[in-house]
Amino acid sequence: AAGVIQSPRHLIKEKRETATLKCYPIPRHDTVYWYQQGPGQDPQFLISFYEKMQSDKGSIPDRFSAQQFSDYHSELNMSSLELGDSALYFCASSPPKLAGDTQYFGPGTRLTVL
Amino acid sequence: DAKTTQPPSMDCAEGRAANLPCNHSTISGNEYVYWYRQIHSQGPQYIIHGLKNNETNEMASLIITEDRKSSTLILPHATLRDTAVYYCIVTRTGANNLFFGTGTRLTVIP
Repeated sequence: AAGVIQSPRHLIKEKRETATLKCYPIPRHDTVYWYQQGPGQDPQFLISFYEKMQSDKGSIPDRFSAQQFSDYHSELNMSSLELGDSALYFCASSPPKLAGDTQYFGPGTRLTVL
Repeated sequence: DAKTTQPPSMDCAEGRAANLPCNHSTISGNEYVYWYRQIHSQGPQYIIHGLKNNETNEMASLIITEDRKSSTLILPHATLRDTAVYYCIVTRTGANNLFFGTGTRLTVIP
């Protein structure tokens, strides 16, 4: 079965640079979620989108923004990168609400800020 | 969402059943119990979820107590590939985020 696709899988940036992470949800899933997992930590919710509108916001820094496009893929834009942004970034998707709320996660993007 | 409490770590012999407990004493009537696991640095993997009835799928069984204040995830025949951090998450229908606590690090021993 098709899974959530994330790209790139690995990304190395310098401090103060920008980064864009992409997420392609499972086909026919309409909701996308972003999570951040720092070294040795548990995943933390950043933001979610339903039908291209922001549906919830967690501990996402103001330097980060995200959006969901008409084909339901999502991008997480990160500016003025800091060393502390080095983490795994996971995207998850879930099907239309009547089909359940279960979130299915992608393999993640490992961002390293030098 | 209700808070959950899990033991930080557990060991299980390969081939034996792994029983992972979770306490969620403040769970509300409209909150589900979800279980995910994360194998080292991979994306969290959905295992199973339930509301009040016991559930079983190809991966595991979920036993929820009658008062819904605790649950147990059962992996019937643990393999080395089941070594992972297991997260018990309580969340209501329509919630937009999952709160991952510290989970239980399960180590399956040969």
